[in-house]
Amino acid sequence: QQPVQSPQAVILREGEDAVINCSSSKALYSVHWYRQKHGEAPVFLMILLKGGEQKGHEKISASFNEKKQQSSLYLTASQLSYSGTYFCGTDFSGSARQLTFGSGTQLTVLP
Amino acid sequence: NAGVTQTPKFQVLKTGQSMTLQCAQDMNHNSMYWYRQDPGMGLRLIYYSASEGTTDKGEVPNGYNVSRLNKREFSLRLESAAPSQTSVYFCATTEGLTGELFFGEGSRLTVL
Repeated sequence: QQPVQSPQAVILREGEDAVINCSSSKALYSVHWYRQKHGEAPVFLMILLKGGEQKGHEKISASFNEKKQQSSLYLTASQLSYSGTYFCGTDFSGSARQLTFGSGTQLTVLP
Repeated sequence: NAGVTQTPKFQVLKTGQSMTLQCAQDMNHNSMYWYRQDPGMGLRLIYYSASEGTTDKGEVPNGYNVSRLNKREFSLRLESAAPSQTSVYFCATTEGLTGELFFGEGSRLTVL
């Protein structure tokens, strides 16, 4: 039931855009996105709820396609500070105790 | 405010030894969680506590016990450590059972 993230890794130049996908085999209630820098704790980016709108966070936004049971994270005009590993967490019941995390997408932004 | 504080940050154990990881939060959140993070595996839930006095198993509870001492503190105990428990452990909190997870800085445990 672990969601599948793609790609596993991506390397960008500063200013370029990236898309990270998160797919589930089960119907989703919500999708969480977190970013983790090396040696640090994961940091919350956003939650997308079933039936909700696309959410945004500065130049990072995301969409939630309920029919396809997938979410995509969009990073536009990447900055060096965007480097890290991005995790999606999928929830089928509206409870964080049921949150299942993907294995992560490692994003590297080069100058 | 410190947020979520974990101790110790690093620990090396020998197989069969026991230890307790401590987690304390000053966010006045009801729900607390213990996750483990292994390379290529993402975060996996070990135990959670929806409120003071209650605890429930997560995805990977075997080999662990927990105590929700009060609203602020949630400890994770390894009674007889095994090399398979080598991992980075994160404590997290949420206000309710949904919503943003706030993570501690992590505790890196190595079992030899």
